[in-house]
Amino acid sequence: AQRVTQVQPTGSSQWGEEVTLDCSYETSEYFYRIFWYRQLFSGEMVFLIYQPSFDTQNQRSGRYSVVFQKSFKSISLVISASQPEDSGTYFCALSDGSFNKLTFGAGTRLAVCP
Amino acid sequence: DTTVKQNPRYKLARVGKPVNLICSQTMNHDTMYWYQKKPNQAPKLLLFYYDKILNREADTFEKFQSSRPNNSFCSLYIGSAGLEYSAMYLCASSRDGPETLYFGSGTRLTVL
Repeated sequence: AQRVTQVQPTGSSQWGEEVTLDCSYETSEYFYRIFWYRQLFSGEMVFLIYQPSFDTQNQRSGRYSVVFQKSFKSISLVISASQPEDSGTYFCALSDGSFNKLTFGAGTRLAVCP
Repeated sequence: DTTVKQNPRYKLARVGKPVNLICSQTMNHDTMYWYQKKPNQAPKLLLFYYDKILNREADTFEKFQSSRPNNSFCSLYIGSAGLEYSAMYLCASSRDGPETLYFGSGTRLTVL
């Protein structure tokens, strides 16, 4: 069975700081992908970045990057130079590879203060 | 255009009455999904269509129905709403392969 855990229900930072959000997961699949989404206040889920399990390099996209520790089955999202507009709820999600079905964590609500 | 559109934005329903939620996408994606999101909980996959084939999750099999009359359109149907159905319903679509999902803004359903 797959499971995704985000132990931080909330987080905060000051404008310009680097923020790290943690996620751990369980899967029996050899090949899988981990996605990060941010939920806007409107409810829309916006894709941020993803890490494939076969790639040992940490992925990076703009101000977003991940720290992937495959042996520990953990992955952290790092947001550099955080801004108030980054406030929202961040979800980690695991894809089991078939039909892109995603198993989500419960999310971390981030507040970036000006 | 990477937009997934959901209607309505908010919906009020009475206990025991049917509910129909609508989703559309114009990206020619193979797969369309419906997720249920309750406060402080993870989004939960209810069902998805791969092309014309409906796949429902085992624990929600009897509670939700869906139709996909064409590639762009997908609905979520609740035959008899209960209080426990109050939630945000998120529609998403994806192309075949290791692609990300594109989500709509959701429909917030309140059952009274």
